[in-house]
Amino acid sequence: DADVTQTPRNRITKTGKRIMLECSQTKGHDRMYWYRQDPGLGLRLIYYSFDVKDINKGEISDGYSVSRQAQAKFSLSLESAIPNQTALYFCATSDPRQGGQPQHFGDGTRLSIL
Amino acid sequence: AQTVTQSQPEMSVQEAETVTLSCTYDTSESDYYLFWYKQPPSRQMILVIRQEAYKQQNATENRFSVNFQKAAKSFSLKISDSQLGDAAMYFCAYRSARDMRFGAGTRLTVKP
Repeated sequence: DADVTQTPRNRITKTGKRIMLECSQTKGHDRMYWYRQDPGLGLRLIYYSFDVKDINKGEISDGYSVSRQAQAKFSLSLESAIPNQTALYFCATSDPRQGGQPQHFGDGTRLSIL
Repeated sequence: AQTVTQSQPEMSVQEAETVTLSCTYDTSESDYYLFWYKQPPSRQMILVIRQEAYKQQNATENRFSVNFQKAAKSFSLKISDSQLGDAAMYFCAYRSARDMRFGAGTRLTVKP
């Protein structure tokens, strides 16, 4: 089983819909992250959480919200989806005890908004 | 804000040859880490190598090594003895205490 699991793997939806992407992890890491990947732009940080009560905005948080339900769960919501939110979304975790805290990624959710 | 620049959108290498992927970054911080991640067509993101900014010695992981030039803010990845399985997107990344930035990526093709 994957250490960082994202659901769904793919999603197609319509403009204006509310969408939730879910992430769960079995690595026991306190820190979790949400990124989006767009061609030619690499990965950009949306939100990150250092523990259940510590949630922070990243580079591109507008139009997104998050919820850290437990140490192992971190969900990303699009309250009213728009077409330019079409992207590949990654959840990641890290362990502050690991030098540099390399990111451990899920397999991504490909989201298409029509 | 910190930025990470990968100036080569695409690179190509012959199998068994060596290739170097470029990365530059901009920061005013002194404590940070640098990474290279690989993304094969399966879209997984896989850590290739990491470098601590306070270490002068360049990191090495088997066929992968870096050339870290702190003063020039340069962090290139060298892949030796390239294999077909090395074909992927490669992302350079920067991390400080509360910031994580990625470059736009370099697509590496390996020719048999």
